[in-house]
Amino acid sequence: AQSVSQHNHHVILSEAASLELGCNYSYGGTVNLFWYVQYPGQHLQLLLKYFSGDPLVKGIKGFEAEFIKSKFSFNLRKPSVQWSDTAEYFCAVTANNAGNMLTFGGGTRLMVKP
Amino acid sequence: EAEVAQSPRYKITEKSQAVAFWCDPISGHATLYWYRQILGQGPELLVQFQDESVVDDSQLPKDRFSAERLKGVDSTLKIQPAELGDSAMYLCASSFGTANEKLFFGSGTQLSVL
Repeated sequence: AQSVSQHNHHVILSEAASLELGCNYSYGGTVNLFWYVQYPGQHLQLLLKYFSGDPLVKGIKGFEAEFIKSKFSFNLRKPSVQWSDTAEYFCAVTANNAGNMLTFGGGTRLMVKP
Repeated sequence: EAEVAQSPRYKITEKSQAVAFWCDPISGHATLYWYRQILGQGPELLVQFQDESVVDDSQLPKDRFSAERLKGVDSTLKIQPAELGDSAMYLCASSFGTANEKLFFGSGTQLSVL
């Protein structure tokens, strides 16, 4: 079945540590990839997206993600996290052979200790 | 910035009762989505509208759930009768075009079925 997997459910880091959150998908065909973030008490919002071109995508607040087609992955990275990055992060995918419906992974809850 | 409005913010009901949630998308957004998010999981698409037409409702439990967007603007999601397993956050989102564009999410309605 088509799915989006985020294997890290909870991550705890200290400020200035590097971050990498994993995302794998099982869709075939052409995919578009997204990371959404939900800060405490706020709405879900788009962090970054990949459609085509350079597989390294830069988003807001210093985040970036790399699309590796051969690994069906779209991992999120940040070189140095801040306390304000504490949030829940969701990977999401649309696929042209799945009606382009946006499907979310289970989310990763990140806590950054000051 | 314009926001997606949802009401009520919280709803507590007893099983077998009827509940309804309302969503007003950002003005001009043709696509409206209802997602359900169970605690600890990612959002799951229930129904997607393009203007007043249903684009996808394959994950909507149609024996008890219904959704409408009569004039292609605001939308109502109804559950009748509610079951204990329906307890979740119900999120509404909208986008100007398809799900490949940025989705704007509302604050959600937290439903508790007792």
